Amino acid sequence: ETGVTQSPTHLIKTRGQQVTLRCSSQSGHNTVSWYQQALGQGPQFIFQYYREEENGRGNFPPRFSGLQFPNYSSELNVNALELDDSALYLCASTIAGGRNEQFFGPGTRLTVL
Amino acid sequence: QKEVEQDPGPLSVPEGAIVSLNCTYSNSAFQYFMWYRQYSRKGPELLMYTYSSGNKEDGRFTAQVDKSSKYISLFIRDSQPSDSATYLCAMSEWDSSYKLIFGSGTRLLVRP
Repeated sequence: ETGVTQSPTHLIKTRGQQVTLRCSSQSGHNTVSWYQQALGQGPQFIFQYYREEENGRGNFPPRFSGLQFPNYSSELNVNALELDDSALYLCASTIAGGRNEQFFGPGTRLTVL
Repeated sequence: QKEVEQDPGPLSVPEGAIVSLNCTYSNSAFQYFMWYRQYSRKGPELLMYTYSSGNKEDGRFTAQVDKSSKYISLFIRDSQPSDSATYLCAMSEWDSSYKLIFGSGTRLLVRP
């Protein structure tokens, strides 16, 4: 069974730039969620994708957007980067209609200068 | 007030001690309760999952949920230095979004 993978591992961007982060869900999982984890904090829910459509969104502005592909992999896009966007971005997958056990990837650490 | 409160620690214990980690919450609609372990600069690892109230045991780990008090606990028996990590509690409602609400995490250090 393949776990959740994310790429890249680290990324450095400057304010105003755009970034795309990628996630491959665990084998058999059809729902992907994205979380932002600031240093010393718990993860904060950004949004979730099921059947290639957004299925719930947290308190994040529209410049955070996403995609889910037919193979259940996903992307997180962030436009007009701000310094406060510096964080660990985590992807989690689960099976819709299941026990809501969510399994996380290793994360992408984004630094905005 | 945050929906989920968790003491940030750090909690320092000697090897072999019983560790008790706790979270309180305010949303009575939470039905799913989870504990994650997160090593430094890594993704969270699911340790325990509980639906509604009750206890669940898995090896050295026991999770307890008391919905009447809005309080959940994780006990670690015979703690090991390899248990040193940040422990995050997470919860969600019974709805279609599967959104997890996390505590801020408790940092645990088990001294050899």
